[in-house]
Amino acid sequence: QKEVEQDPGPLSVPEGAIVSLNCTYSNSAFQYFMWYRQYSRKGPELLMYTYSSGNKEDGRFTAQVDKSSKYISLFIRDSQPSDSATYLCAMKRGGADGLTFGKGTHLIIQP
Amino acid sequence: ETGVTQTPRHLVMGMTNKKSLKCEQHLGHNAMYWYKQSAKKPLELMFVYSLEERVENNSVPSRFSPECPNSSHLFLHLHTLQPEDSALYLCASSQGTGEYGYTFGSGTRLTVV
Repeated sequence: QKEVEQDPGPLSVPEGAIVSLNCTYSNSAFQYFMWYRQYSRKGPELLMYTYSSGNKEDGRFTAQVDKSSKYISLFIRDSQPSDSATYLCAMKRGGADGLTFGKGTHLIIQP
Repeated sequence: ETGVTQTPRHLVMGMTNKKSLKCEQHLGHNAMYWYKQSAKKPLELMFVYSLEERVENNSVPSRFSPECPNSSHLFLHLHTLQPEDSALYLCASSQGTGEYGYTFGSGTRLTVV
């Protein structure tokens, strides 16, 4: 079983829809959970982060972590064509460990 | 610019060539990373440097050789690569290795022929 599972998509939705992106993981030692966004021909950029379980909201974006189910989600409200990108979940145990990434989900918002 | 600059943006090399990838950051960060991004696969952590010392090496083949001469610069020296090494190589930096907010460069697209 891979440490982090993420459906690569593509996921295509109409503009204005609510988007739900998800990752599951197997390592219960992960404590920090992040979402990165990567546009074509660019490096990933940090979008959201959450420590342990709970919700975090930032504008149109909401990140959720359920450690009991080893499941994290990113919701995008009122999706825009500019949200079209690859969204990567990432996790970290703490200390000097590097980030462990999912494969990324390719999201397409249709105008 | 994201604050992390990688050169070159594209590189085509033969299997017997020697080349180097360069990464530069002026964010005052103390940790730098090399990641490999291949199609349909997660980003793979290759090397971690903290204050110019290598702290992690994830079983990367010896044909990849990192160098960190100072906290602002990171190199990845390549020699006798294989076609399966073709990928996007991403450099990232962070305040320290305990941080989660990495700043990535735009990557070097490497093609081995």
